[in-house]
Amino acid sequence: DAGVTQSPTHLIKTRGQQVTLRCSPKSGHDTVSWYQQALGQGPQFIFQYYEEEERQRGNFPDRFSGHQFPNYSSELNVNALLLGDSALYLCASSAGQGYGYTFGSGTRLTVV
Amino acid sequence: QKEVEQNSGPLSVPEGAIASLNCTYSDRGSQSFFWYRQYSGKSPELIMFIYSNGDKEDGRFTAQLNKASQYVSLLIRDSQPSDSATYLCAVLPGSGNTGKLIFGQGTTLQVKP
Repeated sequence: DAGVTQSPTHLIKTRGQQVTLRCSPKSGHDTVSWYQQALGQGPQFIFQYYEEEERQRGNFPDRFSGHQFPNYSSELNVNALLLGDSALYLCASSAGQGYGYTFGSGTRLTVV
Repeated sequence: QKEVEQNSGPLSVPEGAIASLNCTYSDRGSQSFFWYRQYSGKSPELIMFIYSNGDKEDGRFTAQLNKASQYVSLLIRDSQPSDSATYLCAVLPGSGNTGKLIFGQGTTLQVKP
């Protein structure tokens, strides 16, 4: 049973560029959340997708956008990258809300 | 005041001892509480969740919840060097929330052989 898979694992981008990160949820899970984790900090909620719609959003600018596909997989897009966007980006999936979330292995984004 | 607070540590305990990790939260309406373990460079892994006041035990791990004091803790008995990691407390806030987990900054645990 595949868990949550994320791609790519590592990425280096230049300031001002755009990036797309991908996530496939665990089998049986229909809800996907994205988190940003800076070094030495806990994960910060970016947004959550359910039934292909953004259901809730954290305190992140509009440069951060996402999408969920009919097969429940999801993408996180970040435009106009800043140095401060360098972080580990985590995707978490769940079957509905209120339960423990399973995290993927993350994408390490470095903006130079 | 942060929504979820943890002492960043490091908390150092000898092998075989009990490690006690603490977390406080600000939203009185919070419903669900989670403990995740994160090894360096890896993603968080769910250890336990608790919804009701009191204790919940799973093997060497015990989660304790006191909603009146807005306090949740994790006890690790017979600590092993393999338990050395960062432990993240996460809270699912109350009304209006549809699944946004709020994390503390994590407590680093070091178990010395």
